[in-house]
Amino acid sequence: EAGVVQSPRYKIIEKKQPVAFWCNPISGHNTLYWYRQNLGQGPELLIRYENEEAVDDSQLPKDRFSAERLKGVDSTLKIQPAELGDSAVYLCASSLVGSPLHFGNGTRLTVT
Amino acid sequence: AQKVTQAQTEISVVEKEDVTLDCVYETRDTTYYLFWYKQPPSGELVFLIRRNSFDEQNEISGRYSWNFQKSTSSFNFTITASQVVDSAVYFCANTGGFKTIFGAGTRLFVKA
Repeated sequence: EAGVVQSPRYKIIEKKQPVAFWCNPISGHNTLYWYRQNLGQGPELLIRYENEEAVDDSQLPKDRFSAERLKGVDSTLKIQPAELGDSAVYLCASSLVGSPLHFGNGTRLTVT
Repeated sequence: AQKVTQAQTEISVVEKEDVTLDCVYETRDTTYYLFWYKQPPSGELVFLIRRNSFDEQNEISGRYSWNFQKSTSSFNFTITASQVVDSAVYFCANTGGFKTIFGAGTRLFVKA
């Protein structure tokens, strides 16, 4: 089966610019996650979707971050405007209920 | 509250040595899952094992083994006869109530 697909793989932007990341989960996986991984740290959950509903967005900085999962399949995560501290790897994962998370390769964001 | 602690930041061993990665978790959930993931230099998080809170049986898979002890809230991971290809960052994670929390990771260096 195809894995979780993320794009772009790398993104370099200047601060205050907008940026968007895209994720295509494994077919049939109803749960989709966006994590942020800072250098030398473990992934931290930003938002979790069950189908098209965001069921846990308590860690999403809502003043500048937004996400959507139209039709309960693909998802996009947007940052506007980006700040220097947003530099990190943004990971998308999907799963079935109670099963392990399957991660994509991530998008490495550098904000200059 | 959920918490996963991996006290070892970095471990360096020589090939063929055995190495144990420690993981201590905190949770209020009575039903939960524990995981280990491997993150090689390529960046993708790879699932290694899942245990549920009702199954304390230790598990062995090739050179990998896991020791789950609820009494000490620990889920340690041992690599026997380590190899250079085992060099990676290893993350322990806990899922309770559909929320997965990761530890900070242990970076393992295996030298030839």
